[in-house]
Amino acid sequence: AQSVTQLDSQVPVFEEAPVELRCNYSSSVSVYLFWYVQYPNQGLQLLLKYLSGSTLVKGINGFEAEFNKSQTSFHLRKPSVHISDTAEYFCAVRSGGYQKVTFGTGTKLQVIP
Amino acid sequence: NAGVTQTPKFQVLKTGQSMTLQCAQDMNHEYMSWYRQDPGMGLRLIHYSVGAGITDQGEVPNGYNVSRSTTEDFPLRLLSAAPSQTSVYFCASIGGSNTDTQYFGPGTRLTVL
Repeated sequence: AQSVTQLDSQVPVFEEAPVELRCNYSSSVSVYLFWYVQYPNQGLQLLLKYLSGSTLVKGINGFEAEFNKSQTSFHLRKPSVHISDTAEYFCAVRSGGYQKVTFGTGTKLQVIP
Repeated sequence: NAGVTQTPKFQVLKTGQSMTLQCAQDMNHEYMSWYRQDPGMGLRLIHYSVGAGITDQGEVPNGYNVSRSTTEDFPLRLLSAAPSQTSVYFCASIGGSNTDTQYFGPGTRLTVL
């Protein structure tokens, strides 16, 4: 079985400050890792993904994440946030088929002007 | 391309009523899925389909039926709605050249009284 833990349900941060959203996972097999963003009243859209290769993954809107196998983590970072980054962020892990995707409970990022 | 579309956007039902949530995609994707999103629980897979005529259960299938008669459409049926089915429902698809990314619809917000 696999699981995803997003310990922070809400993260307030001032505009132009850096942010890190934490994600830890557990799985007995190799996994693919994803971060999705959900803007208010919208569906989820992919921010970035780790499939293999370089452990530092760059995504859209200036976000990046680092896969750390030893710590089973895939934390999301952005050096300087903008008001438009206010949204909910979901970490997800996939092992095997497309249906074997597990989502975390989400982290609401609130950017304060 | 319209991507993944869902109708209706909002729906209120009384306990025991039935309804169908519609989902369509115009990307010729083989894989489609239905999730429900509840506060503090992330997204949970209800049913999925790997192609026309093929469906299977996800993590929380009870109370829901699906069918896949065409590649484009994947409706979700609630046969006898219960208050526990109050949720936001998302349809998603995967396919084409980008087989690692789920494309989500905008969601249907369902309230069962």
